[in-house]
Amino acid sequence: DGGITQSPKYLFRKEGQNVTLSCEQNLNHDAMYWYRQDPGQGLRLIYYSQIVNDFQKGDIAEGYSVSREKKESFPLTVTSAQKNPTAFYLCASSEGLAGSSYNEQFFGPGTRLTVL
Amino acid sequence: GENVEQHPSTLSVQEGDSAVIKCTYSDSASNYFPWYKQELGKGPQLIIDIRSNVGEKKDQRIAVTLNKTAKHFSLHITETQPEDSAVYFCAASLGNNNDMRFGAGTRLTVKP
Repeated sequence: DGGITQSPKYLFRKEGQNVTLSCEQNLNHDAMYWYRQDPGQGLRLIYYSQIVNDFQKGDIAEGYSVSREKKESFPLTVTSAQKNPTAFYLCASSEGLAGSSYNEQFFGPGTRLTVL
Repeated sequence: GENVEQHPSTLSVQEGDSAVIKCTYSDSASNYFPWYKQELGKGPQLIIDIRSNVGEKKDQRIAVTLNKTAKHFSLHITETQPEDSAVYFCAASLGNNNDMRFGAGTRLTVKP
């Protein structure tokens, strides 16, 4: 099956701990993204990566970090510096950058992070 | 920067009726406008999209219209069914084509 996977589906962490969310795709897509979703709000872009070993900050990058060592993987670390980390996190990928025509974004099932 | 407004935030219709969701955007350089459907606990899935060289696009019971002059676009669902119940998001590409901005979502409930 081709697709984009995120794990785990639910994650609980204590305040002050860093936590890493996994995102893997086997669609051979160059571009990958991380979004945060809060109730009543649209998706907000955290980081995106156009190509391996390159990534750019989105609108709300503070308190997050990413890496893109492999084309198929784009893990997101939520650090203790993120003031309000409890949210639903969505990973996505596309052949090229999402804003370009014909570059549909495919989303993973999401990870719900709860910081206690 | 780009700002995407989506209305209404919630919409309840009777099965068989039509549903319309509207979005406005601010960046006149935006040229790609997808609509996503998100079911509970899942990631959004693309249901239809439209590009700026087209005014309307239809796919079975779903249609999208775009008015570039007024900077607004709408999703129309006809003959709604209970399985259409979900949260719908509109999005607009940024003029630099690097990424998109999403609306806040509309929770559609179709009552049988």
